[in-house]
Amino acid sequence: DADVTQTPRNRITKTGKRIMLECSQTKGHDRMYWYRQDPGLGLRLIYYSFDVKDINKGEISDGYSVSRQAQAKFSLSLESAIPNQTALYFCATSDLKLSGANVLTFGAGSRLTVL
Amino acid sequence: SQELEQSPQSLIVQEGKNLTINCTSSKTLYGLYWYKQKYGEGLIFLMMLQKGGEEKSHEKITAKLDEKKQQSSLHITASQPSHAGIYLCGGSSYGKLTFGQGTILTVHP
Repeated sequence: DADVTQTPRNRITKTGKRIMLECSQTKGHDRMYWYRQDPGLGLRLIYYSFDVKDINKGEISDGYSVSRQAQAKFSLSLESAIPNQTALYFCATSDLKLSGANVLTFGAGSRLTVL
Repeated sequence: SQELEQSPQSLIVQEGKNLTINCTSSKTLYGLYWYKQKYGEGLIFLMMLQKGGEEKSHEKITAKLDEKKQQSSLHITASQPSHAGIYLCGGSSYGKLTFGQGTILTVHP
Protein backbone atom coordinates (compact mmCIF):
# COMPACT_ATOMS: atom_id res chain seq x y z
CA ASP A 1 0.00 0.00 0.00
CA ALA A 2 1.09 3.56 -0.71
CA ASP A 3 2.46 5.67 2.16
CA VAL A 4 0.08 8.51 1.26
CA THR A 5 -3.28 7.53 -0.21
CA GLN A 6 -5.67 9.94 -1.87
CA THR A 7 -9.29 9.22 -2.74
CA PRO A 8 -10.87 9.59 -5.17
CA ARG A 9 -8.18 9.57 -7.86
CA ASN A 10 -10.55 11.10 -10.40
CA ARG A 11 -13.77 12.97 -9.94
CA ILE A 12 -16.09 14.83 -12.29
CA THR A 13 -18.71 17.00 -10.70
CA LYS A 14 -21.01 19.91 -11.46
CA THR A 15 -20.87 23.52 -10.41
CA GLY A 16 -22.33 24.05 -6.95
CA LYS A 17 -21.79 20.51 -5.68
CA ARG A 18 -19.96 19.77 -2.45
CA ILE A 19 -16.85 17.69 -2.90
CA MET A 20 -14.52 16.05 -0.41
CA LEU A 21 -11.05 14.78 -1.21
CA GLU A 22 -9.55 12.47 1.36
CA CYS A 23 -5.98 11.77 2.31
CA SER A 24 -4.61 9.14 4.66
CA GLN A 25 -1.01 8.30 5.52
CA THR A 26 0.83 5.42 7.11
CA LYS A 27 4.14 7.23 7.63
CA GLY A 28 3.31 8.50 11.11
CA HIS A 29 4.13 12.06 10.06
CA ASP A 30 2.76 14.99 12.04
CA ARG A 31 2.53 17.44 9.17
CA MET A 32 0.06 17.25 6.31
CA TYR A 33 -0.53 19.53 3.34
CA TRP A 34 -2.94 20.09 0.48
CA TYR A 35 -1.66 21.54 -2.80
CA ARG A 36 -3.27 22.15 -6.15
CA GLN A 37 -1.45 21.99 -9.47
CA ASP A 38 -2.43 23.92 -12.56
CA PRO A 39 -0.47 23.92 -15.83
CA GLY A 40 2.28 26.54 -15.77
CA LEU A 41 1.64 27.45 -12.13
CA GLY A 42 3.46 24.72 -10.29
CA LEU A 43 2.06 23.64 -6.93
CA ARG A 44 0.21 26.12 -4.75
CA LEU A 45 -0.46 25.50 -1.08
CA ILE A 46 -4.11 25.43 -0.03
CA TYR A 47 -3.98 24.40 3.64
CA TYR A 48 -1.51 22.77 5.98
CA SER A 49 -1.58 21.19 9.41
CA PHE A 50 1.36 20.65 11.75
CA ASP A 51 -0.61 18.45 14.13
CA VAL A 52 -4.19 17.41 14.81
CA LYS A 53 -5.08 20.66 16.58
CA ASP A 54 -3.29 22.93 14.13
CA ILE A 55 -4.80 24.11 10.83
CA ASN A 56 -3.33 26.91 8.73
CA LYS A 57 -4.35 28.63 5.52
CA GLY A 58 -2.00 28.52 2.60
CA GLU A 59 -1.73 30.94 -0.30
CA ILE A 60 -5.01 29.97 -2.00
CA SER A 61 -7.45 28.84 0.70
CA ASP A 62 -10.54 30.75 -0.50
CA GLY A 63 -13.31 28.33 -1.51
CA TYR A 64 -11.74 25.43 0.38
CA SER A 65 -11.91 24.01 3.90
CA VAL A 66 -10.07 21.17 5.61
CA SER A 67 -10.49 18.76 8.49
CA ARG A 68 -7.74 16.91 10.35
CA GLN A 69 -9.71 14.00 11.72
CA ALA A 70 -6.69 12.18 13.11
CA GLN A 71 -2.93 12.29 12.78
CA ALA A 72 -3.21 10.08 9.72
CA LYS A 73 -6.18 11.74 8.00
CA PHE A 74 -6.54 15.14 6.36
CA SER A 75 -9.50 15.91 4.11
CA LEU A 76 -10.08 18.81 1.74
CA SER A 77 -13.59 20.07 1.00
CA LEU A 78 -14.99 22.29 -1.70
CA GLU A 79 -18.29 23.52 -0.28
CA SER A 80 -19.64 24.71 -3.62
CA ALA A 81 -17.40 23.69 -6.50
CA ILE A 82 -16.77 26.09 -9.38
CA PRO A 83 -15.10 25.42 -12.75
CA ASN A 84 -11.86 27.25 -11.90
CA GLN A 85 -11.30 24.69 -9.14
CA THR A 86 -10.68 22.14 -11.85
CA ALA A 87 -7.13 20.99 -11.11
CA LEU A 88 -4.90 18.18 -9.89
CA TYR A 89 -4.85 18.09 -6.09
CA PHE A 90 -2.02 16.64 -4.05
CA CYS A 91 -1.81 15.66 -0.42
CA ALA A 92 1.64 15.53 1.17
CA THR A 93 3.14 14.71 4.55
CA SER A 94 6.38 15.48 6.35
CA ASP A 95 8.02 15.22 9.73
CA LEU A 96 10.70 17.78 10.45
CA LYS A 97 11.64 16.11 13.73
CA LEU A 98 12.62 12.83 12.11
CA SER A 99 15.11 14.08 9.58
CA GLY A 100 15.71 17.72 10.39
CA ALA A 101 14.57 18.50 6.88
CA ASN A 102 11.11 19.18 5.54
CA VAL A 103 11.06 16.46 2.89
CA LEU A 104 7.52 16.00 1.65
CA THR A 105 6.04 12.65 0.66
CA PHE A 106 3.28 13.10 -1.91
CA GLY A 107 0.19 11.12 -2.72
CA ALA A 108 -0.56 10.16 -6.33
CA GLY A 109 -2.98 13.05 -6.79
CA SER A 110 -6.72 13.54 -7.21
CA ARG A 111 -7.87 14.93 -10.54
CA LEU A 112 -10.99 17.05 -10.11
CA THR A 113 -13.07 18.37 -13.00
CA VAL A 114 -15.87 20.83 -12.29
CA LEU A 115 -18.33 21.26 -15.15
CA SER B 1 6.06 35.33 0.75
CA GLN B 2 8.87 33.48 -0.92
CA GLU B 3 8.71 33.22 -4.69
CA LEU B 4 10.59 30.75 -6.78
CA GLU B 5 11.19 31.24 -10.48
CA GLN B 6 12.30 28.33 -12.65
CA SER B 7 13.90 28.52 -16.06
CA PRO B 8 13.41 27.38 -18.66
CA GLN B 9 9.69 26.61 -18.48
CA SER B 10 10.18 23.78 -20.95
CA LEU B 11 13.13 22.02 -22.48
CA ILE B 12 13.42 19.56 -25.36
CA VAL B 13 16.69 17.71 -25.76
CA GLN B 14 18.08 14.81 -27.71
CA GLU B 15 19.00 11.71 -25.74
CA GLY B 16 22.60 11.89 -24.57
CA LYS B 17 22.70 15.67 -24.24
CA ASN B 18 23.42 17.52 -21.02
CA LEU B 19 20.97 20.05 -19.64
CA THR B 20 20.52 22.49 -16.77
CA ILE B 21 17.41 23.76 -15.00
CA ASN B 22 17.63 26.84 -12.82
CA CYS B 23 15.68 27.95 -9.77
CA THR B 24 15.90 31.48 -8.38
CA SER B 25 14.44 32.64 -5.10
CA SER B 26 13.32 36.12 -4.10
CA LYS B 27 14.59 35.42 -0.57
CA THR B 28 17.37 33.45 1.09
CA LEU B 29 16.65 29.77 0.98
CA TYR B 30 16.88 27.77 4.20
CA GLY B 31 16.25 24.55 2.38
CA LEU B 32 15.98 23.91 -1.34
CA TYR B 33 14.27 20.75 -2.54
CA TRP B 34 14.19 19.26 -6.01
CA TYR B 35 11.31 16.99 -7.06
CA LYS B 36 10.46 15.15 -10.25
CA GLN B 37 6.95 14.45 -11.48
CA LYS B 38 5.90 12.14 -14.25
CA TYR B 39 2.94 13.53 -16.15
CA GLY B 40 -0.22 13.36 -14.05
CA GLU B 41 1.47 11.51 -11.20
CA GLY B 42 2.79 12.35 -7.77
CA LEU B 43 6.07 14.03 -7.00
CA ILE B 44 9.22 12.08 -6.22
CA PHE B 45 11.86 13.66 -3.99
CA LEU B 46 15.27 13.97 -5.66
CA MET B 47 17.58 16.03 -3.48
CA MET B 48 17.75 18.62 -0.74
CA LEU B 49 20.33 21.37 -0.33
CA GLN B 50 20.74 23.47 2.77
CA LYS B 51 24.21 24.99 2.88
CA GLY B 52 25.58 27.72 0.66
CA GLY B 53 27.85 26.21 -1.98
CA GLU B 54 26.48 22.73 -1.38
CA GLU B 55 26.44 20.24 -4.24
CA LYS B 56 24.84 16.79 -4.34
CA SER B 57 24.74 14.12 -7.00
CA HIS B 58 22.64 11.05 -7.57
CA GLU B 59 23.29 8.93 -10.61
CA LYS B 60 23.41 11.43 -13.48
CA ILE B 61 21.71 14.30 -11.68
CA THR B 62 23.66 17.01 -9.84
CA ALA B 63 22.11 19.83 -7.84
CA LYS B 64 23.92 22.92 -6.55
CA LEU B 65 23.01 25.78 -4.24
CA ASP B 66 24.92 29.04 -4.62
CA GLU B 67 26.82 30.69 -1.78
CA LYS B 68 24.12 33.31 -1.22
CA LYS B 69 21.49 30.55 -1.08
CA GLN B 70 19.19 32.24 -3.57
CA GLN B 71 19.88 30.21 -6.68
CA SER B 72 19.98 26.51 -7.39
CA SER B 73 20.66 24.52 -10.51
CA LEU B 74 19.85 20.97 -11.49
CA HIS B 75 22.15 19.44 -14.07
CA ILE B 76 21.49 16.19 -15.93
CA THR B 77 24.39 14.54 -17.70
CA ALA B 78 23.83 12.35 -20.76
CA SER B 79 20.05 12.59 -20.61
CA GLN B 80 17.85 9.54 -21.17
CA PRO B 81 14.15 9.19 -21.99
CA SER B 82 13.63 8.11 -18.37
CA HIS B 83 14.61 11.63 -17.28
CA ALA B 84 11.55 13.11 -18.99
CA GLY B 85 8.97 14.73 -16.75
CA ILE B 86 8.36 17.89 -14.77
CA TYR B 87 11.06 19.12 -12.42
CA LEU B 88 10.05 21.37 -9.55
CA CYS B 89 12.13 23.23 -7.01
CA GLY B 90 10.71 23.92 -3.59
CA GLY B 91 11.87 26.38 -0.94
CA SER B 92 11.29 25.85 2.75
CA SER B 93 9.91 28.70 4.84
CA TYR B 94 8.30 28.42 8.29
CA GLY B 95 7.76 24.72 7.91
CA LYS B 96 6.07 24.73 4.54
CA LEU B 97 7.30 24.39 1.00
CA THR B 98 6.69 26.89 -1.78
CA PHE B 99 7.26 25.60 -5.30
CA GLY B 100 8.40 27.06 -8.56
CA GLN B 101 6.18 26.72 -11.61
CA GLY B 102 8.05 23.68 -12.87
CA THR B 103 10.18 22.84 -15.92
CA ILE B 104 8.83 20.35 -18.44
CA LEU B 105 11.62 18.17 -19.79
CA THR B 106 11.21 16.15 -22.99
CA VAL B 107 13.98 13.79 -24.07
CA HIS B 108 13.85 12.50 -27.64
CA PRO B 109 15.41 9.09 -28.27
